[in-house]
Amino acid sequence: GAVVSQHPSWVICKSGTSVKIECRSLDFQATTMFWYRQFPKQSLMLMATSNEGSKATYEQGVEKDKFLINHASLTLSTLTVTSAHPEDSSFYICSARRSGVQETQYFGPGTRLLVL
Amino acid sequence: GEDVEQSLFLSVREGDSSVINCTYTDSSSTYLYWYKQEPGAGLQLLTYIFSNMDMKQDQRLTVLLNKKDKHLSLRIADTQTGDSAIYFCAERKTSYDKVIFGPGTSLSVIP
Repeated sequence: GAVVSQHPSWVICKSGTSVKIECRSLDFQATTMFWYRQFPKQSLMLMATSNEGSKATYEQGVEKDKFLINHASLTLSTLTVTSAHPEDSSFYICSARRSGVQETQYFGPGTRLLVL
Repeated sequence: GEDVEQSLFLSVREGDSSVINCTYTDSSSTYLYWYKQEPGAGLQLLTYIFSNMDMKQDQRLTVLLNKKDKHLSLRIADTQTGDSAIYFCAERKTSYDKVIFGPGTSLSVIP
């Protein structure tokens, strides 16, 4: 199989704090991981593409200084929401593409963030 | 534009077939996907089709691709209550290394 995990599954934090979300590929190596944001009853919006060992590529309109992405190994990418505000509350989902296999992405279960 | 379009809602009776339709934008897209999302969960890849194929069948799922009209459909045979979920159509554009998702179709199965 191809399993992707996310941690934590949900988090509540105070406004102004930073939150780190981890995305791990458990049984395969992932050269590329993707971070998405999903608002209630809406589709997924790609935030950034994370490549192992290099800087992430951010989509237009996504603040790179606010959403810090680190892809330090072939099985782990992290998304840090810095100085979180209530409008950052959302469902964050990561996906991972198996190294050498371009046609599919495997999604994590998502992390629900609530900023008070 | 970049929009992948889907109808937002579909309701079927248990045991009937469901057909979820999607139109995509890029005729050169290489891969087209169907994902399923249950409430509060991530996305589960159901199936995908390569753009040089017309049809792909996998158990109860049949994907039809009309490349000329840029139309993709997912047929679920013998729909069960456990099939109730949101189904996302997505295309992988060749010009960018990213996958564009449609808005999702909420499938409700009536017992």
